[in-house]
Amino acid sequence: DGGITQSPKYLFRKEGQNVTLSCEQNLNHDAMYWYRQDPGQGLRLIYYSQIVNDFQKGDIAEGYSVSREKKESFPLTVTSAQKNPTAFYLCASSRVSTGMGEQYFGPGTRLTVT
Amino acid sequence: KNQVEQSPQSLIILEGKNCTLQCNYTVSPFSNLRWYKQDTGRGPVSLTIMTFSENTKSNGRYTATLDADTKQSSLHITASQLSDSASYICVVSDRDNNDMRFGAGTRLTVKP
Repeated sequence: DGGITQSPKYLFRKEGQNVTLSCEQNLNHDAMYWYRQDPGQGLRLIYYSQIVNDFQKGDIAEGYSVSREKKESFPLTVTSAQKNPTAFYLCASSRVSTGMGEQYFGPGTRLTVT
Repeated sequence: KNQVEQSPQSLIILEGKNCTLQCNYTVSPFSNLRWYKQDTGRGPVSLTIMTFSENTKSNGRYTATLDADTKQSSLHITASQLSDSASYICVVSDRDNNDMRFGAGTRLTVKP
């Protein structure tokens, strides 16, 4: 999985609770991304960060928050405002933030909210 | 409407057989097209990347083609193996916005 770790692999939470997903990379990549994957749909971009202390919303940022205090780390918080949080979450990183930069993906975290 | 459409949605083949997966896109202006392999419960892994000027690229038993005029790509798998069972995802990048648009994937099952 290209030097990107996500933890935990499986996460269960009760509705109304915030939960934070971890993503760490040791590839010295500047850019990092969070995607959500649902059955029958393509990956959808939640947030991305091109440099430390900076991040931008993706296509479906509502109900999510991120931070980028260190180059290696890009945690994602799924808040209680996210209407349908149960999904497979993938973190990725790339050397550059342009479309030419190959993205390396972590193993993913499957979040189940009941 | 998704800008990257893949077909078929799922495919079952016997071990040793060949297969071809399709990807049609409307992303414009085009920058590049990638094929990823995603094993169940894992992150996607890149197989090939093609730019506008490339019309074929191979990676072992995987061969990708690109027709930028018709905005179509295919991934051909030769002599399939059980380990080829996975989802194959087509990703097209937009040159102006640097956006990557993901197809929903084709779920391939290779049976002995």
